[in-house]
Amino acid sequence: SQQGEEDPQALSIQEGENATMNCSYKTSINNLQWYRQNSGRGLVHLILIRSNEREKHSGRLRVTLDTSKKSSSLLITASRAADTASYFCATDSGAGSYQLTFGKGTKLSVIP
Amino acid sequence: GAGVSQSPRYKVAKRGQDVALRCDPISGHVSLFWYQQALGQGPEFLTYFQNEAQLDKSGLPSDRFFAERPEGSVSTLKIQRTQQEDSAVYLCASSHVRGTGNEQYFGPGTRLTVT
Repeated sequence: SQQGEEDPQALSIQEGENATMNCSYKTSINNLQWYRQNSGRGLVHLILIRSNEREKHSGRLRVTLDTSKKSSSLLITASRAADTASYFCATDSGAGSYQLTFGKGTKLSVIP
Repeated sequence: GAGVSQSPRYKVAKRGQDVALRCDPISGHVSLFWYQQALGQGPEFLTYFQNEAQLDKSGLPSDRFFAERPEGSVSTLKIQRTQQEDSAVYLCASSHVRGTGNEQYFGPGTRLTVT
């Protein structure tokens, strides 16, 4: 079963615009990660935010985490055509679990 | 350096056949994970190895699925008597730390089609 739910399921924007994707989850977590998957390829890790962090930046990426609402957002600024991909959030519930639980993903299309 | 590699990249099996999927993790990585990804869905956890020990196999969908990592490096996921519902992409990931507290490096996946 999948814990995370990304929103929206699909997003289409013009190059240069910002893209915001949201993720909600159900149980308490140790950390939350965002991954990108280009069509037909493996996943690439983007950023990890721990449960005691509220915001994290990496290049054009900004991730926020609100544990009280069990939600996270990924912002990509100044999008490029190369950002076209599916984006997944994944949660780690800790407590001796080894499962990384992924959502269904947001499919982002950046139009040149 | 080399990333995670998986072979074969594509596999077509007739229903009832056995298949074996191979994963070569990044050298020295302690943790190895297998995931199943259906079309249009996110990856779903299958099993986890810490070195050669299989510490979590709670995600394996049935006893037809079996995974091993005998020497703590290469891993094989075996599916016996394949069914059509086994058609999916099987992803392998490795990490240099124990557990899930750090980024995982994914291979390109093996796309299994059962006819």
